[in-house]
Amino acid sequence: GAGVSQSPSNKVTEKGKDVELRCDPISGHTALYWYRQRLGQGLEFLIYFQGNSAPDKSGLPSDRFSAERTGESVSTLTIQRTQQEDSAVYLCASSPAQGTQTQYFGPGTRLLVL
Amino acid sequence: SQKIEQNSEALNIQEGKTATLTCNYTNYSPAYLQWYRQDPGRGPVFLLLIRENEKEKRKERLKVTFDTTLKQSLFHITASQPADSATYLCALGDDKIIFGKGTRLHILP
Repeated sequence: GAGVSQSPSNKVTEKGKDVELRCDPISGHTALYWYRQRLGQGLEFLIYFQGNSAPDKSGLPSDRFSAERTGESVSTLTIQRTQQEDSAVYLCASSPAQGTQTQYFGPGTRLLVL
Repeated sequence: SQKIEQNSEALNIQEGKTATLTCNYTNYSPAYLQWYRQDPGRGPVFLLLIRENEKEKRKERLKVTFDTTLKQSLFHITASQPADSATYLCALGDDKIIFGKGTRLHILP
């Protein structure tokens, strides 16, 4: 079956522009995570959606970052007024509803802010 | 707050030897712990999960131990191969998963 997909795979933007990143989780997975990973660094948790519960936004670094998820499907991560320090790989992962929260990651979106 | 610690320094191991990576955690009592592998330019891939009532778990050349008293998990790769070179991440959490920073492993031919 299809895994987690993300689009675009690469994005180059100018400082100050807004960008929108998309994640399509595995069908039926109720949990969805967004992470940021700067070059050579570990995963930085951004936001967590679990079913219909209120999302855990505790990892969002500033109010320029927001994310939405429609039901248990697609999620979009929006970065407004991008800054050069936003350059990173943005990874999305989903987990099934039952059992352990084993995560299945997408290939990521490589964002470069010039 | 919950904290996961993995050795941030790269680990160099000679091919054929056993590589052992450590994951320590504090302020948490997880029901299970997971290990992932991440190759450059790719997302992490799930390897193994061990539950709190399991002391050891094996999968092919991989072995994971879980000591809930020490709050530590050890990840072993036996008969290591250059293809095992990657970053290995531990993760824990019963609802929301938290990842460690990962340890880079280099298997030297």
